[in-house]
Amino acid sequence: NAGVTQTPKFQVLKTGQSMTLQCAQDMNHEYMSWYRQDPGMGLRLIHYSVGAGITDQGEVPNGYNVSRSTTEDFPLRLLSAAPSQTSVYFCASRTGQETQYFGPGTRLLVL
Amino acid sequence: GNSVTQMEGPVTLSEEAFLTINCTYTATGYPSLFWYVQYPGEGLQLLLKATKADDKGSNKGFEATYRKETTSFHLEKGSVQVSDSAVYFCGVGSNYKLTFGKGTLLTVNP
Repeated sequence: NAGVTQTPKFQVLKTGQSMTLQCAQDMNHEYMSWYRQDPGMGLRLIHYSVGAGITDQGEVPNGYNVSRSTTEDFPLRLLSAAPSQTSVYFCASRTGQETQYFGPGTRLLVL
Repeated sequence: GNSVTQMEGPVTLSEEAFLTINCTYTATGYPSLFWYVQYPGEGLQLLLKATKADDKGSNKGFEATYRKETTSFHLEKGSVQVSDSAVYFCGVGSNYKLTFGKGTLLTVNP
């Protein structure tokens, strides 16, 4: 199993550009989540999904969209990037109350 | 909603010293508790977990006990090593969400 994979590893955007951060898992987990990690702020939940076709907002959802058309994939979309979205983004998946597995992260810089 | 408060650090110790990182939580229902570790440049990895009151999670010499009466899940290790240098996150999970503390940077010097 590859676990949780994320692409790209690093991205530079200009303010106002859009992009999609990809996340995929091959463990058949029903729960998937997106977090952002910022210095002094820890990990904050952006959006999460409890299964294909079901998504909900987390702690800091503004400026981000998600969809879950398959069990495996959970892309995160930035519609109009802002410097405040400069961060490291982690995707995670789990089943039930079991261990949550994290991807390696995407480092995003918005100029 | 759920929340986690953990010692923010940074914490600097000498090799073989005793480590405690405090973590307290608020949550509804019967949450599971976790400690995750993040080594430089990497994602988070599960270090240990406990799923009910009085459970003790342990791994790689680290331990934490689920204390419902004090809503705490403090991380301890009797003798730290240089290789334990990392950021440690306490987490509480219930329903569909896993909520983390802000993380504690641990540096262990030889």
